[in-house]
Amino acid sequence: LAKTTQPISMDSYEGQEVNITCSHNNIATNDYITWYQQFPSQGPRFIIQGYKTKVTNEVASLFIPADRKSSTLSLPRVSLSDTAVYYCLVGGGDYKLSFGAGTTVTVRA
Amino acid sequence: DAGITQSPRHKVTETGTPVTLRCHQTENHRYMYWYRQDPGHGLRLIHYSYGVKDTDKGEVSDGYSVSRSKTEDFLLTLESATSSQTSVYFCATSTQAQDNQPQHFGDGTRLSIL
Repeated sequence: LAKTTQPISMDSYEGQEVNITCSHNNIATNDYITWYQQFPSQGPRFIIQGYKTKVTNEVASLFIPADRKSSTLSLPRVSLSDTAVYYCLVGGGDYKLSFGAGTTVTVRA
Repeated sequence: DAGITQSPRHKVTETGTPVTLRCHQTENHRYMYWYRQDPGHGLRLIHYSYGVKDTDKGEVSDGYSVSRSKTEDFLLTLESATSSQTSVYFCATSTQAQDNQPQHFGDGTRLSIL
């Protein structure tokens, strides 16, 4: 499994864009990059996944450079309800996920 | 998410007692997983199942056993609970065991062992 490194915490204000960068230097050729979100007292929730370039959905965007050694999750115009822990994962072929400590994003009014 | 129900949601028990946690899914997903979440450790995989009666160990399987007699149910058993097993336990499911198939999580069971 590829090891990932992401910031422990980030603070933001409502309406701002939040960008969380995850490093995964030893990503394998067939690995996907997946981000999950977790609110207190809930299980993680899948938010976005990508293999290369850019992926966008109704919640977030994921930017992946050509070398795939890092990725950036972008949350546009955050609100208080976006306060959560965000996990970056790079999966193995048998899908034994490895969740690190994640990035705690705190959005303030 | 994905029709996953964990029971009980909260449990307090004493050291040395057996404990069974249940995960029930209504999505007919083939793969099921048990994780524990502790401060500073993120989520760690305990056991997973790739079909009825087919299970394998994860990263932190010591002291835990699992069973899957039906597609929809995955049980996690602590044969003799210890205080180090106090944690929040999450069940997850997926359609495939490939990293482009997201896992869907339940809302967890908070287990306290005194």
